[in-house]
Amino acid sequence: QSVLTQPPSVSGTPGQRVTISCTGGSSNIGAGYVVHWYQQLPGTAPKLLIYGNINRPSGVPDRFSGSRSDTSASLAISGLQADDEADYYCQSYDGSLSISVFGGGTKLTVL
Amino acid sequence: QVTLKESGPVQVKPRETLTLTCAVSGFSLSFDRVGVTWIRQPPGKALEWLAYIFSNDEKSYSPSLKSRIAISRDTSRRQVVLSMINMDAADTATYYCGRIERVVYGPTDYWAQGTLVTVSS
Repeated sequence: QSVLTQPPSVSGTPGQRVTISCTGGSSNIGAGYVVHWYQQLPGTAPKLLIYGNINRPSGVPDRFSGSRSDTSASLAISGLQADDEADYYCQSYDGSLSISVFGGGTKLTVL
Repeated sequence: QVTLKESGPVQVKPRETLTLTCAVSGFSLSFDRVGVTWIRQPPGKALEWLAYIFSNDEKSYSPSLKSRIAISRDTSRRQVVLSMINMDAADTATYYCGRIERVVYGPTDYWAQGTLVTVSS
């Protein structure tokens, strides 16, 4: 059972906007620790998608955006494309345990 | 250019010790404000954070694996080593090393390709 909770799956059609939630607690997201998001395409290593709640690394399209509020965070993908189909993971830090924590991952299906 | 590459056995027997090495380039393990982390992923399952070691030699371990794993670094050889004792079939996974940027709660901005380790007799 992951410290951060994500929906197991979400789906959308091309062009749509989807969001993926990441719910934590008072010792991680609620304590102000930032959230990072990763995209994992089938058979590949994860890739950093969003860091520090809202920031995109160079090369990541602005269709991807992040937000954080209280004890949760969200990843939004607009203008959905077929090659967005992947697993998405959130990550934060647990200050009480001094460890990094991941969400259980969300599989995005583009219908 | 930042790169990381894991090396180690593709298969270990139950109760053996796994030793994985992460060779890094493009950054310093001691002078730059970075860390190296190990993360694993059992087949078809989610990412699981294992450990990190930071540039000031600060280390942290997953509470569920703390009694079985150790992380160390050789700054001159630019390597970080993860050791895991008493391997079990449940430890079969792809093991990734990655670079943590700036602070212990920073993002893993560079990842190695991953190495699949199978535990089987």
